[in-house]
Amino acid sequence: EPEVTQTPSHQVTQMGQEVILRCVPISNHLYFYWYRQILGQKVEFLVSFYNNEISEKSEIFDDQFSVERPDGSNFTLKIRSTKLEDSAMYFCASSHIDNEQFFGPGTRLTVL
Amino acid sequence: AQSVSQHNHHVILSEAASLELGCNYSYGGTVNLFWYVQYPGQHLQLLLKYFSGDPLVKGIKGFEAEFIKSKFSFNLRKPSVQWSDTAEYFCAVNAGAGNMLTFGGGTRLMVKP
Repeated sequence: EPEVTQTPSHQVTQMGQEVILRCVPISNHLYFYWYRQILGQKVEFLVSFYNNEISEKSEIFDDQFSVERPDGSNFTLKIRSTKLEDSAMYFCASSHIDNEQFFGPGTRLTVL
Repeated sequence: AQSVSQHNHHVILSEAASLELGCNYSYGGTVNLFWYVQYPGQHLQLLLKYFSGDPLVKGIKGFEAEFIKSKFSFNLRKPSVQWSDTAEYFCAVNAGAGNMLTFGGGTRLMVKP
């Protein structure tokens, strides 16, 4: 069964550093998403991406964040200058046109 | 802004007991509703979804959920739980234009053998 994959599983970085989180969505899916879950809190929507552009974003997704689909398979989330409060589990998801979103295993980001 | 509430944060049941997990949302328009499950160490998996039609939806592993529009609810049920149902359960709503999901806070279910 096709799956969404994410790398790395755990990323540790220093405050102020840039990080790139990587995702490989399911190959025939058209919509791509990033969500995050801060420890002990709800899963929160960050951004959705369709047809090579952002289709929706939340208030969390400020200028420090960007997304890209650099080739036909990868979907990345970049945080330009990480803050302590960016520490969270980041989930990638993808869907076809029916909005049944399939989630990856997550990347745990720890900002020191 | 839309919100989703799951009132039970932790539920402990014995095997064969019946399960009902509550989910309420706040949005007056058309909604798509989802229940996801996260087993220990695994990623979020879709249990079931409601887009339209019959408000009683059947999902995988014997789970079902009922959409009651007048109560803004989408409660998850299973008549007889198993130890393997130990997991965290998330209700999610997609409302209005766009595909973003708004999640509830999750319910941790522990089933004692």
